[in-house]
Amino acid sequence: TQLLEQSPQFLSIQEGENLTVYCNSSSVFSSLQWYRQEPGEGPVLLVTVVTGGEVKKLKRLTFQFGDARKDSSLHITAAQPGDTGLYLCAGLNDMRFGAGTRLTVKP
Amino acid sequence: NAGVMQNPRHLVRRRGQEARLRCSPVKGHSHVYWYRQLPEEGLKFMVYLQKENIIDESGMPKERFSAEFPKEGPSILRIQQVVRGDSAAYFCASSRTSGTGFGKLFFGSGTQLSVL
Repeated sequence: TQLLEQSPQFLSIQEGENLTVYCNSSSVFSSLQWYRQEPGEGPVLLVTVVTGGEVKKLKRLTFQFGDARKDSSLHITAAQPGDTGLYLCAGLNDMRFGAGTRLTVKP
Repeated sequence: NAGVMQNPRHLVRRRGQEARLRCSPVKGHSHVYWYRQLPEEGLKFMVYLQKENIIDESGMPKERFSAEFPKEGPSILRIQQVVRGDSAAYFCASSRTSGTGFGKLFFGSGTQLSVL
């Protein structure tokens, strides 16, 4: 079973700030997914990254997959209150999730 | 609504009772995953099923917990003789392909189990 570590665990920022959250593993991912979960709801898929070094953009969100496919990052530009939620990464090897980063964006 | 349907949304049980959580996957999806989530925590994998088969139950306690995904009907997560520590949100997800096949997971809204 692949263990995923996400950091930071909690992040509280003001609207308009930039932020980066991380997902790391000691072993190689075949591919990795990022999800966002809002309170009282199930997670929703944001992106799947497959190739080492891959960068994907989704509006203000930029996802990067490490060259060695052991780590990934999510960068949010000009955060908005609507970005508030729990950001989770999951390895497609076994569909296990990290503990998540709980983001709060204050207006 | 063609999404994953979980019911009930909220379930209250007294210690020692049984809890049955239901999950109807997206139509055409044959893979179902169950996860448990405690407040302020991430998703903890419990079990992965394909139609009529348990593929991986390594995250599910061996006692009191069971899961099935019959040929017809929803997937069921069953917890016997519930204890207060079973109180949590239980999420079900379905996919068309397995994890290693770049499957996208579609999640239900979860069942919040409260044990009194």
